[in-house]
Amino acid sequence: EPEVTQTPSHQVTQMGQEVILRCVPISNHLYFYWYRQILGQKVEFLVSFYNNEISEKSEIFDDQFSVERPDGSNFTLKIRSTKLEDSAMYFCASSGQPYGYTFGSGTRLTVV
Amino acid sequence: SQQGEEDPQALSIQEGENATMNCSYKTSINNLQWYRQNSGRGLVHLILIRSNEREKHSGRLRVTLDTSKKSSSLLITASRAADTASYFCATGENTGGFKTIFGAGTRLFVKA
Repeated sequence: EPEVTQTPSHQVTQMGQEVILRCVPISNHLYFYWYRQILGQKVEFLVSFYNNEISEKSEIFDDQFSVERPDGSNFTLKIRSTKLEDSAMYFCASSGQPYGYTFGSGTRLTVV
Repeated sequence: SQQGEEDPQALSIQEGENATMNCSYKTSINNLQWYRQNSGRGLVHLILIRSNEREKHSGRLRVTLDTSKKSSSLLITASRAADTASYFCATGENTGGFKTIFGAGTRLFVKA
């Protein structure tokens, strides 16, 4: 069964540092997404990416966030200057058609 | 922005019983999806129902959609202890950006 792979599974970083969360989507998928889930809260949409550009982004996805698909296989989320409130599980997802995603297992980001 | 809101927030049943979870949303949608999440891990896509569909089945899952009432239900028949998880409805937006908005989820506990 194809799967979405996320690395690392857990990242601890100091406030103000930059972090890059990595994802390898399913190889023939065309649509890519990042979501986050603060502990005990809702799964929140961050950004969707299609045809090498952002399709839509949420209010959360401000100038501190960026996404890239640098080499046709990886899909990364960068947070430029982390804040304490960025601590959350970050989920990458991909799909062959819009909607009906396959999610990765997530990266737990802890900002200290 | 629109969101799916699940009801009840938590549900505890005996193995073998049926579990019904409801979801309401606020605006027009392209589709509605149901996902399962075990203990903060990645979400697993269960089923997608399009806005022009009224009912869909997948194994022990039955989903209904009433666009006039802006509501959906997920029925799990003959529940098992392994069905214990959080279940989220998620609405596929009509914004062209392939965004899916998740509700707060129903925590289902199936007692053996």
